Amino acid sequence: DAGVIQSPRHEVTEMGQEVTLRCKPISGHNSLFWYRQTMMRGLELLIYFNNNVPIDDSGMPEDRFSAKMPNASFSTLKIQPSEPRDSAVYFCASSFTRTGVDQPQHFGDGTRLSIL
Amino acid sequence: AQSVTQLDSHVSVSEGTPVLLRCNYSSSYSPSLFWYVQHPNKGLQLLLKYTSAATLVKGINGFEAEFKKSETSFHLTKPSAHMSDAAEYFCVVNYGGSQGNLIFGKGTKLSVKP
Repeated sequence: DAGVIQSPRHEVTEMGQEVTLRCKPISGHNSLFWYRQTMMRGLELLIYFNNNVPIDDSGMPEDRFSAKMPNASFSTLKIQPSEPRDSAVYFCASSFTRTGVDQPQHFGDGTRLSIL
Repeated sequence: AQSVTQLDSHVSVSEGTPVLLRCNYSSSYSPSLFWYVQHPNKGLQLLLKYTSAATLVKGINGFEAEFKKSETSFHLTKPSAHMSDAAEYFCVVNYGGSQGNLIFGKGTKLSVKP
């Protein structure tokens, strides 16, 4: 049973470059979440989708960040241009959400991003 | 504002001794509560969840947690620590509605000494 799959696992790039992080949620899940984890700020929700539609993107730090979910099995988080302060571990999570049903989120192993 | 507080940022125990990781949440009519564990270079893994069915919740790897409404607490316990339990533990609260309303505690790092 495949879990949430993220790629790449590690990314090192120079500031100013475009970075694209990818996520494949668990089949059958209808909600997808992007988080960022740093030592200073802990785990922060960036954006989440329900049925491929962005529901809340208030956690996206600024316009350099964008996320898409073209279909139920794929999502991307893009940073353009990247800056050193974007260095963090980015997690994708998915869950099955239905009114009255509170299913937990399942997390991928994350992408460790370093911007030089 | 809704919140969740993990009272200890770091807990150290000896192998074979009990584990207690503390979590308090701000009062609400019926929150859902979760404990997640994160091993190094891994994502968060669900340990257990409370959704009002029973106040004592059993999870994986011998962990359990008790929901105490009067104390607004949801402490995580394990009778006997194992070396493989060394990890970071997050208490998470959902105050209702969308899963996007999850509130994560700042985490407690558990060290297990041989």
